Amino acid sequence: EAGVAQSPRYKIIEKRQSVAFWCNPISGHATLYWYQQILGQGPKLLIQFQNNGVVDDSQLPKDRFSAERLKGVDSTLKIQPAKLEDSAVYLCASSSPGTPNTEAFFGQGTRLTVV
Amino acid sequence: AQKITQTQPGMFVQEKEAVTLDCTYDTSDPSYGLFWYKQPSSGEMIFLIYQGSYDQQNATEGRYSLNFQKARKSANLVISASQLGDSAMYFCAMKSDFGNEKLTFGTGTRLTIIP
Repeated sequence: EAGVAQSPRYKIIEKRQSVAFWCNPISGHATLYWYQQILGQGPKLLIQFQNNGVVDDSQLPKDRFSAERLKGVDSTLKIQPAKLEDSAVYLCASSSPGTPNTEAFFGQGTRLTVV
Repeated sequence: AQKITQTQPGMFVQEKEAVTLDCTYDTSDPSYGLFWYKQPSSGEMIFLIYQGSYDQQNATEGRYSLNFQKARKSANLVISASQLGDSAMYFCAMKSDFGNEKLTFGTGTRLTIIP
């Protein structure tokens, strides 16, 4: 079974530029999460999708961050314009909803550096 | 709202000894699950163990066990016979069984195994 795929693995951009990250979840997983993990901290949930609908985006900075999950499969997270404090690892995870003991599976993450 | 608290930023343990990583949580959900993940320096999030809030017995997976005390809202991870490869960040997380199934993480504990 293929895992959660994320690209790119690394990205360096200048502040005020835009950037996009891509995630392909495990086949059949209806729930998709995007987390931001700043160095030395725990993952912070940015947005959660169930199929192609947003379940929770309460911690997404909507003035600069956007995310979509067209057709309920792949997802894209965009930052425009980027700030220095956006430097972090962006983790995508997926899970199968409705089954209590099902863990979320994570991709390798995208390490973003804003200079 | 869910909250996970990990009060140990870092721990040093001698190889072959057992170690307990602390986790307390707060939630108003009647049914929920608790997870532990390991994050090595390579960055991937590796699922270790799961405990359901209504499980009668503490979960075990190989050298990992979960000391679940529901009344105290604690879910400590116990690693027996620690190995050098156990050196990593460890995150406690919780997910409600109903509603939006939001997955919330703690701040993590960095475990270092000393030879």
